[in-house]
Amino acid sequence: DTEVTQTPKHLVMGMTNKKSLKCEQHMGHRAMYWYKQKAKKPPELMFVYSYEKLSINESVPSRFSPECPNSSLLNLHLHALQPEDSALYLCASSQGQYRDGQPQHFGDGTRLSIL
Amino acid sequence: QKEVEQDPGPLSVPEGAIVSLNCTYSNSAFQYFMWYRQYSRKGPELLMYTYSSGNKEDGRFTAQVDKSSKYISLFIRDSQPSDSATYLCAMRSLYNFNKFYFGSGTKLNVKP
Repeated sequence: DTEVTQTPKHLVMGMTNKKSLKCEQHMGHRAMYWYKQKAKKPPELMFVYSYEKLSINESVPSRFSPECPNSSLLNLHLHALQPEDSALYLCASSQGQYRDGQPQHFGDGTRLSIL
Repeated sequence: QKEVEQDPGPLSVPEGAIVSLNCTYSNSAFQYFMWYRQYSRKGPELLMYTYSSGNKEDGRFTAQVDKSSKYISLFIRDSQPSDSATYLCAMRSLYNFNKFYFGSGTKLNVKP
């Protein structure tokens, strides 16, 4: 089991649905990340929150909307997704920008399928 | 040119072999280096984390960093079938703690 918990593990949704992915960590980390991973590819950075503020947005389409309600929680709101958005969505956390360099820890992801 | 290059494999070895996995990079500001193991349908699992040049050992795993050559390696001794997975290298610069750069991953198959 990982220390970064993601729910749900699997999600199937239609292109007109609205859903949310959730991520939680209790390691006291102050940076949290969303990645998208397609099969046989490395994780691709989408968003970074540092101290609950959005610090990196890698030009992700607006149908993906991140939210960081507090230092332990990270959400990704989904609306009007396209079939090409089907992928494994990974959440990660790390100590944060103002701490000595530390690695990221990943959750096991949400496998998303768009019908 | 990608910032991090990694041979995608697949790499197939017999059980008990020593495995060498490698990445090269182009950004001399990279100071922090990580290796992750990812099983199918799971998230990446941190194996090794090193700062700057040198070696670090943890059980059957040794991470090696050569900053002068911009080259990092992960060695797995006495490889086991359970080591069969995709191995990702990752690195981060001194100037942006919040951005990690990944290699494309090497798929390893250890045959019993």
